Amino acid sequence: IAGITQAPTSQILAAGRRMTLRCTQDMRHNAMYWYRQDLGLGLRLIHYSNTAGTTGKGEVPDGYSVSRANTDDFPLTLASAVPSQTSVYFCASGESGGANVLTFGAGSRLTVL
Amino acid sequence: AQSVSQHNHHVILSEAASLELGCNYSYGGTVNLFWYVQYPGQHLQLLLKYFSGDPLVKGIKGFEAEFIKSKFSFNLRKPSVQWSDTAEYFCAVISGGSYIPTFGRGTSLIVHP
Repeated sequence: IAGITQAPTSQILAAGRRMTLRCTQDMRHNAMYWYRQDLGLGLRLIHYSNTAGTTGKGEVPDGYSVSRANTDDFPLTLASAVPSQTSVYFCASGESGGANVLTFGAGSRLTVL
Repeated sequence: AQSVSQHNHHVILSEAASLELGCNYSYGGTVNLFWYVQYPGQHLQLLLKYFSGDPLVKGIKGFEAEFIKSKFSFNLRKPSVQWSDTAEYFCAVISGGSYIPTFGRGTSLIVHP
């Protein structure tokens, strides 16, 4: 079934540890996105990529990095996790352009202690 | 920068009641508008979208939304809600030269049977 696969589904890690959230899509979409979802704050964009080889910063990029080596993969890395990064992280992809309907992954729930 | 406001953060209704969720955006130029829904434990999925043409658009499960350009609004409506409509609803806007959707903070809808 075409879509987005995120891993891990859930993770608890200690503050200061490095963590990479994986995201893979099989729809050959040009654009990919990472959002975090927090209660009362909705979805906030962390980083995005309009096409393979390019990335950009979203609304809340600090403490996160991404790479887009190919069309399908868009990993999100927390270099040194802090408790404020406790959240649910959603990866999404789309065709880009104005008619950009996003397909979302199932999310990764991250708890930083 | 584009901003999206959803004024109703929490809505509680009984089955068969009518629903209207507000969404306002700030950008005054050409916009593409979306409503996404997140059912409990699931990822976000598209409910309906507006790109051009008839400002009254119909989506899945009996939902509709009306684009009112003069009011910068794209309110979501359903004449008679069901218990299965319990979910989080997000309004999103793509505007100007950016193809990145900006999301509102979401509205949590609870429908009592």
